[in-house]
Amino acid sequence: GQSLEQPSEVTAVEGAIVQINCTYQTSGFYGLSWYQQHDGGAPTFLSYNALDGLEETGRFSSFLSRSDSYGYLLLQELQMKDSASYFCAVISQGNLIFGKGTKLSVKP
Amino acid sequence: AAGVIQSPRHLIKEKRETATLKCYPIPRHDTVYWYQQGPGQDPQFLISFYEKMQSDKGSIPDRFSAQQFSDYHSELNMSSLELGDSALYFCASSSGGSLDTEAFFGQGTRLTVV
Repeated sequence: GQSLEQPSEVTAVEGAIVQINCTYQTSGFYGLSWYQQHDGGAPTFLSYNALDGLEETGRFSSFLSRSDSYGYLLLQELQMKDSASYFCAVISQGNLIFGKGTKLSVKP
Repeated sequence: AAGVIQSPRHLIKEKRETATLKCYPIPRHDTVYWYQQGPGQDPQFLISFYEKMQSDKGSIPDRFSAQQFSDYHSELNMSSLELGDSALYFCASSSGGSLDTEAFFGQGTRLTVV
C-alpha cells in the first residue's frame, strides 16, 4: 500500500518561517511533489524533488531524503496569501498520490 | 498560456441521474488524470489515460467510466449518481505519460447530487 503522513494544521504569523513535514511509504517511488490549494481552487504545483537535497524556488524550498522516506516544504517570509492547504504528493508508477494535506493559517 | 479546461464548472444532478464531465488538456499534453476531492479531503486518484489508452485505475467506482478521445480531451461519465458522489472533480494533464515534473490541474467541476 501507499501512505503519506503530514500534519493536518499549522498556524504561523506573517513574516515567520514554517516547515511542513511529509513522510511516505510507497512502492515504485519516483519523486515527491508539493502542491498548494486555496479553498475551492485547483491544486497548483510548487516544487518537485527526485533526488536528495534542497530545492529552492523563491520563498519556498523543498527537501527530500529518500533513505528516510521524508521530505519537507519550507515557507519563508510568510504572507497572508500563503494561507492555504499544502499537499505532499508522491509520484509512483506514473501517478500522483496525495497526502491528506496541511492547512496553513497565517495570522497578522 | 493555455491551461487545462474543464466543463462544466458546476453541475447539479439528482440521485440516480447521469453526468458527463469534460476535460481539455494543455495543447500537446497526451496524458490526462482524473481526481475526486470531497469536502476537506485530499484529491483521490480515479483514472488516467496516456495516448488515448487507459494507463492506470484508482478508486473509481464501477458506475463511472472514462475515455480519452483522438483530440486528447477526456470525458468522465458517471451513472446512477449517489449523494456521496458530490465532490470537486479535477482533471490534470502532463506530457509523456508521466508526472515526473509538474501536473497542471484544471479548475475542477463541482458536482452536487441532490
